[in-house]
Amino acid sequence: NAGVMQNPRHLVRRRGQEARLRCSPMKGHSHVYWYRQLPEEGLKFMVYLQKENIIDESGMPKERFSAEFPKEGPSILRIQQVVRGDSAAYFCASSPRIRAGNTIYFGEGSWLTVV
Amino acid sequence: AQSVTQLDSQVPVFEEAPVELRCNYSSSVSVYLFWYVQYPNQGLQLLLKYLSGSTLVKGINGFEAEFNKSQTSFHLRKPSVHISDTAEYFCAVSDERSGGSYIPTFGRGTSLIVHP
Repeated sequence: NAGVMQNPRHLVRRRGQEARLRCSPMKGHSHVYWYRQLPEEGLKFMVYLQKENIIDESGMPKERFSAEFPKEGPSILRIQQVVRGDSAAYFCASSPRIRAGNTIYFGEGSWLTVV
Repeated sequence: AQSVTQLDSQVPVFEEAPVELRCNYSSSVSVYLFWYVQYPNQGLQLLLKYLSGSTLVKGINGFEAEFNKSQTSFHLRKPSVHISDTAEYFCAVSDERSGGSYIPTFGRGTSLIVHP
């Protein structure tokens, strides 16, 4: 039973380019979460999605960032016109359902470096 | 709004010594508490979680944590650490948000460094 799969694991982009990070949840999981990890800052929640719906995007920057989770295929976190400050590890997590005390399962992360 | 404070950014300890990693939380409603471990360049793995019932929770790799409601704490302990326990440890809390979702909020993490 494959875990949460993220790709690419490492991505280098020049300032102004676009970054696309993909996440395939665990089999049977229909809820996806994206977190960003900056040095010395821990994990910050960005967005929570179900299939074809954004449920909570309270942690997403207002500009340049978007996320989707289509009916078919992986969830995508898209960062347009990247800047140096976007360099971070981006983690995707998934869960089978929403209920109290839900455990979310993490992928191994995508490390974005903006040069 | 929920929040998590991990009081120590780094905890150095010698092998086979006991360790406690501290976590305090704030939330206005019933909470669910988690500890995750992150090894270098990897994702987070669940160590243990508290939902209800006994306040002492046992997890994997010999770790345990105690929920203390009056002190709003959920400290992680291990009686004897190994070199392989060197990692980043994250405390997390979730409660019901508007809309019925339960999205964990994480602390900044504590780096456990085990010396031989």
